[in-house]
Order: sequence, then C-alpha cells, then structure tokens
Amino acid sequence: EPEVTQTPSHQVTQMGQEVILRCVPISNHLYFYWYRQILGQKVEFLVSFYNNEISEKSEIFDDQFSVERPDGSNFTLKIRSTKLEDSAMYFCASSYLRGGSDEQYFGPGTRLTVT
Amino acid sequence: DQQVKQNSPSLSVQEGRISILNCDYTNSMFDYFLWYKKYPAEGPTFLISISSIKDKNEDGRFTVFLNKSAKHLSLHIVPSQPGDSAVYFCAASDGSARQLTFGSGTQLTVLP
Repeated sequence: EPEVTQTPSHQVTQMGQEVILRCVPISNHLYFYWYRQILGQKVEFLVSFYNNEISEKSEIFDDQFSVERPDGSNFTLKIRSTKLEDSAMYFCASSYLRGGSDEQYFGPGTRLTVT
Repeated sequence: DQQVKQNSPSLSVQEGRISILNCDYTNSMFDYFLWYKKYPAEGPTFLISISSIKDKNEDGRFTVFLNKSAKHLSLHIVPSQPGDSAVYFCAASDGSARQLTFGSGTQLTVLP
C-alpha cells in the first residue's frame, strides 16, 4: 500500500541553524501539507502546496519557513534559523483531490529537537 | 483556539464491547470531518470520514455519526479489539480551505 515517507526520523540541531525536512508524498497525490505537533499539544496546520505553489498557510508559517518541491517526488520544509520553540514532530501529508471528500495521508513524522 | 474539541482525554473499554469517542466543533463552516488513529512515534493514520451532507458513515467496525445541529460527531468501534488501543484524533475542514483542524485526541485503551 502506498505511503508517505519522511526523512530523517529525528533531527537534532542548534538554535539558529537551518534544517531541511524531507518528505516523499504518495505518487499520484496532488496536494501536499506540513503539520507539526509540539509535545503535549494539538496537531497544527502549517502549509499546503498545490501546483508548485503555496495554497494556504497558517500564522505559524512565517518568513523563517519555506517549502519546495524540487523534483517530481520530494517535498521539503526548510526552517531558516531554528528557534527552541520549533522543537516538535513535523508531519508531512498528501491527498489526491481538492474539495470536501478527500483524505489526507500522513507520514511517520520527523522529530526536530532544537538545542 | 478550540474549534475542535475532544473533551475526554482517555477512555477504557473491555475487549468486544463498544468504544464511543466524541468530538465537538464550533465552526459552522466545517463541512468535512475525519477520524485518525495514532500510535506513539507514528503519524496519524486515516480511519474514516464523513461529509456534512450525511449523518452516518460506516466502514467495517467503524461508524461515524454526525449531528450538525449539535455540532457533534462520534466514532463508534464495535467490537473493540486490543489493537485499537491508540490516540484517536477528530479533525475537520471546510470546503474552501484544505487545512485540517485537529482536536486534542482521546487515548483509547481496550482491555483484554
């Protein structure tokens, strides 16, 4: 069964460093998303991406964040200068159809620890 | 921001019995609702969804009920199995925005 994959599973970085989290969405999906979950808190939406551009983003997704689909399979989230409060699980998701009847399928997540 | 609320942080049921997980929402623009299951150190796994034009959707042991007037949905698992033990998240979206708004989750424990 097709699945969303994410690498690395755990990333440790120092405050102020740049990190890139990688995702391979399900191959025939057209919509891609990043969510995060800070320990003990809810899963929060960051950004959605369709047709090589951002379609929606939350208030969390500020200028320190960017997304890219550098080739036909990868989808990346870059944090330019990490802060302690960026420590969280980051989940990539993908879906096939826009509209009210599709489901988003999530990857296993990347645990980001900023020290 | 409490647009989607799961008021029970935990629920324990005996194997073979029914598990009922509840979710309330406040945003009347939500028109699509999903349930996800999550094991530790894994991503959310899609379980079942329902559109606001329906009041019930069934898939095997899982049934989701939607009460739009009460802004309430529930997930029924019958019969419950020990492998169902996980955190269950309710999520919602509206037709124009694809972002999912999640509840805080309910830890379900199915006792053998």
